[in-house]
Amino acid sequence: EPEVTQTPSHQVTQMGQEVILRCVPISNHLYFYWYRQILGQKVEFLVSFYNNEISEKSEIFDDQFSVERPDGSNFTLKIRSTKLEDSAMYFCASSAQTGPAPGGYTFGSGTRLTVV
Amino acid sequence: GQQVMQIPQYQHVQEGEDFTTYCNSSTTLSNIQWYKQRPGGHPVFLIQLVKSGEVKKQKRLTFQFGEAKKNSSLHITATQTTDVGTYFCAGRGSGTYKYIFGTGTRLKVLA
Repeated sequence: EPEVTQTPSHQVTQMGQEVILRCVPISNHLYFYWYRQILGQKVEFLVSFYNNEISEKSEIFDDQFSVERPDGSNFTLKIRSTKLEDSAMYFCASSAQTGPAPGGYTFGSGTRLTVV
Repeated sequence: GQQVMQIPQYQHVQEGEDFTTYCNSSTTLSNIQWYKQRPGGHPVFLIQLVKSGEVKKQKRLTFQFGEAKKNSSLHITATQTTDVGTYFCAGRGSGTYKYIFGTGTRLKVLA
């Protein structure tokens, strides 16, 4: 079964440093998303991406965050200057279509980001 | 903004007992999805409901979408230890493509 692949699985970084989280969505999917989950809490929407641009973003996704699809396969989330409160599990997801997508979202296994 | 709440937050049941989680949105939804997240894992898509009053079944799981499309429920009959995890609903409002996840219900099944 096709998978969404995320790397690294765990990233520890110093406060103020830049991090890039990487994702390889399912190859025939067109819509890409980043969500995050602070330990034990709910899954929060960050951003959606389609046709090489952001289609929607949440209040969490401020100027410190950016996304990119630098080639035909990778989808990255960059945090420019990490803060302690950015510590969370970051999930990438993709879907074949938006709206009533029959298959729902396929989530990757996540990157656990720890800011120290 | 749109908020999606779930109750209960936690539920412990004996194996074989039934379990229900309820999902309520502050706004009318276009459609709703349900996900299961095992401890230490990632959300896994279970099902999508689109129509008002829709009911779908997957083996021991029954999903309902309310008539007003503001609430939904997931019912598990005769729970098994493999049902352990957190169940999230995720709703999409009209005019938006993003899904807002509910607060989740963590299910523990005691053997």
